[in-house]
Formats: sequence, C-alpha cells, structure tokens
Amino acid sequence: QVTLRESGPALVKPTQTLTLTCTFSGFSLSSSGMCVSWIRQSPGKALEWLAFIDWDDDKYYSTFLKTRLTISKDTSKNQVVLTMTNMDPVDTATYYCARISRDQYYHYYMDVWGKGTTVTVSS
Amino acid sequence: QSVLTQPPSASGTPGQRVTISCSGTSSNIGSNTVNWYQQLPGTAPKLLIYSNNQRRSGVPDRFSGSKSGTSASLAISGLQSEDEADYYCSAWDDSLNGLWVFGGGTKLTVL
Repeated sequence: QVTLRESGPALVKPTQTLTLTCTFSGFSLSSSGMCVSWIRQSPGKALEWLAFIDWDDDKYYSTFLKTRLTISKDTSKNQVVLTMTNMDPVDTATYYCARISRDQYYHYYMDVWGKGTTVTVSS
Repeated sequence: QSVLTQPPSASGTPGQRVTISCSGTSSNIGSNTVNWYQQLPGTAPKLLIYSNNQRRSGVPDRFSGSKSGTSASLAISGLQSEDEADYYCSAWDDSLNGLWVFGGGTKLTVL
C-alpha cells in the first residue's frame, strides 16, 4: 500500500523559510519512472503545482516560484523535502505531496496523495 | 487565474448525466494527456481519470474522460449524492507557464 504523509510547522512568520517533509512508503524513489511532487491549495482556491523530483534526482519547479523553492530527496529515508524561502501571508495554504507515476506510454499523473499539512503565515 | 479553464460550478439531480469541461492550449492539453481529480469536502484530491480516459482502479465506470484538440471533458453518469465534490483537470504544459498546470476547479452540486 502506497502512502505519503506531509509534516512541517503549522505556523511560520513572514520572511521565514518553510521546510516541509514528505515521508512515503510502499514504493521506492529509486525506481525508474517514480517521482514525488508538491502541490498547495490556498483556502477556497484551486490546486497549484510547486515542484517535483524524479528517480534520477532531476528537479522541476513552478516558473512562478522557482526562485524560492528547493526540492531534495533522501532515498534511504523515503523522504522528499521542500523548502520555500521568504514566506508571505499569501503562502498560507494546505501543502500536499503526491506520487507521480507513469503509464506504458510515458504519460505521467499524480496517483496517490498525502492528506496535506496546513501552513499559516502570520506574525 | 488558472492556466486550464473550467466552469466554476455544475449541478445535476440524482441519476442525471453531467459533464465538466476543461479548456487549455496547444502547449498543454493540445500536446499532452489530461488527468482528472476529485476532491471531496475537507479531504485531499484523489485521482479519477488519467491519460485522458483511463479510469483509475476502483473508480466506478460512471466516470469517463475524453479529450479533443485543446479541450477535455469529464462525464459523470447516474449522478449520486456522494459525487458532490470539487473536480480538477490537470495536464503537463510544455511552455514556460510551469510544468504541471491545473484548472480552477468545478464545484459539483447534486440537487
């Protein structure tokens, strides 16, 4: 059974750096085709993709946020970490991590999601 | 605003068939596959449809997806009260708008 669980601070102050950890089980991020992504959802808003990292340690970032984001993985711990610098109240959101899988035609999709962790940015 | 365009709301009565549209461009839907997610109130999104029209294992065959050109659709037949949720389309975007893009979401109400 594949599961993912997000963890991190519930409250951060403006200008601080947010560090979130996604701990997963049931698959290996060393396996070809496997990726883990971060997505967020501000209250009452749509989903917004942030970043993903693949089995080969290639990293991809949202064009809008790439200067503030860093994604990394620790395969031995089955963890993916996302850092976001210079936090602002508009970054208040629920942050999800999700596994990305692919079909036989190399079409990718986020097939298993964590429950999310809510982060509030306030002084 | 979101890169993919969805109607903000849709509704139907139990047993009806409803369709949710998702409009994109040549750099996303026009050249890549579309995935659909269901988000029940207060929960994380769940994958419903991947690669345009493939139902995820366990998803009832009442749910179906299709794609034509730069648009995609999610159809739900035999509408049930438990289908009341937010639905999001998503696709890979080959342009500089970011790699994964989502629609703005459609809130489906079962009357």
